[in-house]
Amino acid sequence: DTEVTQTPKHLVMGMTNKKSLKCEQHMGHRAMYWYKQKAKKPPELMFVYSYEKLSINESVPSRFSPECPNSSLLNLHLHALQPEDSALYLCASSQVRGGDTQYFGPGTRLTVL
Amino acid sequence: AQSVTQLDSHVSVSEGTPVLLRCNYSSSYSPSLFWYVQHPNKGLQLLLKYTSAATLVKGINGFEAEFKKSETSFHLTKPSAHMSDAAEYFCVVNSYNFNKFYFGSGTKLNVKP
Repeated sequence: DTEVTQTPKHLVMGMTNKKSLKCEQHMGHRAMYWYKQKAKKPPELMFVYSYEKLSINESVPSRFSPECPNSSLLNLHLHALQPEDSALYLCASSQVRGGDTQYFGPGTRLTVL
Repeated sequence: AQSVTQLDSHVSVSEGTPVLLRCNYSSSYSPSLFWYVQHPNKGLQLLLKYTSAATLVKGINGFEAEFKKSETSFHLTKPSAHMSDAAEYFCVVNSYNFNKFYFGSGTKLNVKP
């Protein structure tokens, strides 16, 4: 099974709301990733967790807060977002070794009003 | 340093004709290289990957790619395009930092009937 699941599929939120995106994998992968993808652009890396510890933060604004409660779950907490944060948010996972494949979830389409 | 250049932002072919999507990479170390496909509003699906074994790599849906170290290229080909191949394609490189994947800017493939 090479599936990464993400919920919700779509999310509409106001600028004062607090919401969370969820990601889950059961492939035994110990690295998990959040990417942001704007239309007609490649995914941009936001965060990487390796062995449940934050290993990469690509200078993402603090209104995005990641959390990795265990090796299978990855959350992205959202607060006070801006309209320009509207995008497709992709979760991915991989083993922590060179050359291993990243497996992507279907994404959450976020719209900030 | 690692980087990926996809030489064409758009490629248009007729159904049944060959597909060539070009990718050049830069890497200070032995790279792992990947091609992903993304259909509209979907996640990324792995087509194939190169990890220092055979230089000609076969993937899903009839796609293949050849790793040419001397040319620092990893071009994606398919002998006969199908309408369902119309999508965005990303070339990705991973190197000494196992948790960092570098994306090309993407090539949009259009398949005409």
